Order: sequence, then C-alpha cells, then structure tokens
Amino acid sequence: GQQVMQIPQYQHVQEGEDFTTYCNSSTTLSNIQWYKQRPGGHPVFLIQLVKSGEVKKQKRLTFQFGEAKKNSSLHITATQTTDVGTYFCAGHGGTASKLTFGTGTRLQVTL
Amino acid sequence: DAGITQSPRHKVTETGTPVTLRCHQTENHRYMYWYRQDPGHGLRLIHYSYGVKDTDKGEVSDGYSVSRSKTEDFLLTLESATSSQTSVYFCAISNSGTLSYEQYFGPGTRLTVT
Repeated sequence: GQQVMQIPQYQHVQEGEDFTTYCNSSTTLSNIQWYKQRPGGHPVFLIQLVKSGEVKKQKRLTFQFGEAKKNSSLHITATQTTDVGTYFCAGHGGTASKLTFGTGTRLQVTL
Repeated sequence: DAGITQSPRHKVTETGTPVTLRCHQTENHRYMYWYRQDPGHGLRLIHYSYGVKDTDKGEVSDGYSVSRSKTEDFLLTLESATSSQTSVYFCAISNSGTLSYEQYFGPGTRLTVT
C-alpha cells in the first residue's frame, strides 16, 4: 500500500532559526495536504498543493510540491514559540476520499 | 473549528470488554473517518464512511467495526478490547462538495485498555 514518510521525526530549534520538514511518498500523489497538531490537540488543516512544482506561502511558512508529485516540503522561516507542534503531510493517492498521513515531524522551539 | 464532537473523551477499560466510541458532526459532511494515533506511526486510518450505511476499511481495521445510521453519527466499536488498542482515536469529516477534501478533526478520545 501507499506509504508516506517524513523526516526528521523530531527537531529542536532556537527561536528565530529556520525549520524544514520533508515528506516522501512511495507512489505518485494527486495532491498533498499539510496539517499541524499542537501538543494535546487535534490536527488542523494548513494547506493543500495540487500542481507539480507548486509553491505556496502562508506568512512565514512555505510549502512545496515536487515535480514528480511524490515529495513535498514545509519550510518555516524564523521560527517562533507558537510554531511548536507536530507537522503532518498527507497525500491523496488512488482514492480521492482517503488520505495517507505521514509519520509527522515534531518541532520544539526554545527561546 | 468544525462542529465535531467525540464521546467519551477519555475511557479506561479492561481487556476483553466491548467499547464504542461516538463521533457526532453538525456540518452535514458526507465523509467521516476514524483514525488512531500512536507514537512513531502518525495517524492511521481505521475505517471510513462515504454515506449513510456506506463504509469501508482502512489500513488498520482488524478488531474494529463501524456503523453509520445517520449522516451526523459515526460509531467505532472495539468488539473485544486488547491492550494493543490503547491509543488516541480521532474522528474526522470532509465534504465532497469541495475540491480539496481537507479533513476537519474532532478533539480525540484517549482510550486505555488495561
């Protein structure tokens, strides 16, 4: 079945440093979504990418979908303590109504 | 936040007992999902529903059953709970009327099987 891996599993940064998480699928995706889960909370939808090579920005967050539609990345510029949480990518493969979630990257930000 | 509630929010049960978790939505969304979240595994799909009485298995469906008799309610049943089913369970909904199929999650149920 489809597998979606993320690296790193965990990253600890100082506030103001940049952060990147990478997402790799074993199969080509029709689209990819990103979610954020704060500690003790539930996943919250951030964004969706659909086109090959697509890049989208949300303030300090930059999302990219690979040319082959099998990988994606999330980059956060100048992290803040409010960025703390686990970031998940999730891909739609053959069935549009089902998502396969990545393993997640937990981000810790300290002052 | 989308109108999704889960009950109970916390439950401790003994091995071998049946357990039912409830997900209730007020958004009239067509699709509903049950996931479990465990350290190192992310979110794994247990079962999902694409309409009333229409359900299908996810990647970790063994030991679980579901029912959806009304649009707003999706029930997850552990027929005979085992310690390996100790987890946090999330319900999610999505609307096929949108192009993106983004999912909205409930607050989660923490289940401990002793």
